[in-house]
Amino acid sequence: AQKITQTQPGMFVQEKEAVTLDCTYDTSDQSYGLFWYKQPSSGEMIFLIYQGSYDEQNATEGRYSLNFQKARKSANLVISASQLGDSAMYFCAMRDDTGRRALTFGSGTRLQVQP
Amino acid sequence: EAQVTQNPRYLITVTGKKLTVTCSQNMNHEYMSWYRQDPGLGLRQIYYSMNVEVTDKGDVPEGYKVSRKEKRNFPLILESPSPNQTSLYFCASSPLAGGGKNIQYFGAGTRLSVL
Repeated sequence: AQKITQTQPGMFVQEKEAVTLDCTYDTSDQSYGLFWYKQPSSGEMIFLIYQGSYDEQNATEGRYSLNFQKARKSANLVISASQLGDSAMYFCAMRDDTGRRALTFGSGTRLQVQP
Repeated sequence: EAQVTQNPRYLITVTGKKLTVTCSQNMNHEYMSWYRQDPGLGLRQIYYSMNVEVTDKGDVPEGYKVSRKEKRNFPLILESPSPNQTSLYFCASSPLAGGGKNIQYFGAGTRLSVL
């Protein structure tokens, strides 16, 4: 079974600073995908960034980057130059690449960006 | 605009009154899935579909039905809703072919209250 652990229930960051949201995972699968999603207070689930288990380079998408350390089973999200609109819940998720292709989500981190 | 559309966004109903939450995607995705999000339990998969007429159970299928008669639509049916089905529901879709990325894109969510 797959498991995602996010150990930071809440974090604060000053506007324009960088912040790292932690995510560790557990799986016995060799092939898997790791994702980060953002859920603002309005409730929708917004895809941010993806990392495949076989990708050798860390993924980047604009201000988002994923610090992937396979041996440590960690997939931390780094947000550079935080903006007020980044205040939201952030979920790390893993997809099993066989069978159901279900996403297993962590418990989330609530990020608050302060002016 | 590529999107997953869920309707209704908000619904209050009473125990036992059948309801359907619709989900439609315009991206020609093969894979579609329903999740529910509950405080303390995170997001859990209800049902998924790999293609037209191919559906299967997720982690929490009891009390729900789905159908996939057309590629773009994947309605969620609650034949006799109960209060424990009060939740935030998400529909998601993704392609299946083309390598590992196959990002699941989510609809805006449906907040259901069963009284």
